[in-house]
Amino acid sequence: AQRVTQPEKLLSVFKGAPVELKCNYSYSGSPELFWYVQYSRQRLQLLLRHISRESIKGFTADLNKGETSFHLKKPFAQEEDSAMYYCAGGTSYGKLTFGQGTILTVHP
Amino acid sequence: DTAVSQTPKYLVTQMGNDKSIKCEQNLGHDTMYWYKQDSKKFLKIMFSYNNKELIINETVPNRFSPKSPDKAHLNLHINSLELGDSAVYFCASSLLLGGATTEAFFGQGTRLTVV
Repeated sequence: AQRVTQPEKLLSVFKGAPVELKCNYSYSGSPELFWYVQYSRQRLQLLLRHISRESIKGFTADLNKGETSFHLKKPFAQEEDSAMYYCAGGTSYGKLTFGQGTILTVHP
Repeated sequence: DTAVSQTPKYLVTQMGNDKSIKCEQNLGHDTMYWYKQDSKKFLKIMFSYNNKELIINETVPNRFSPKSPDKAHLNLHINSLELGDSAVYFCASSLLLGGATTEAFFGQGTRLTVV
């Protein structure tokens, strides 16, 4: 069965510090992996996906098949990055399997 | 222009009641979903409809019944509500392209509280 794990429920950093949100997956075949973000009082929205290999709001995520990881990174965290972050794996029929979520708090 | 909209945003009801949550998307997507977010913020898929056909039905009590009158709407009806049904329910939609997962757009959520 597909499984996505985010080991950290809470993550706190100071503004300007690097941040890494961990995500590991367990999938058969080639997974489609995503990071979704939920800012306070806003709806869940896509941050980035591994296929596009792009950087959004300074965040990047690289798929590491050897380690079965898809960690989200940003070299310099900003206060506005404070949010709930979900790693998710996609399967056929568009089903998303979410990790448990990580609440990122960036302190001034 | 709200892409995926759910109503109501908040719903407080007593145990045993029957309630519905409505969802509409104006993105022209062919697939819609219901997700449940529990008190620990864990998100889990409940149902998915593609072109009005049920394609995903996770292990959900049969008190929950989705209905898709057309591609743009997916409603969730819940019978005999229980305390454990209290959660935030998210509707989402996406386009299925050859079975690949595309970006899912989410509604703002419906916070259901059963008392």
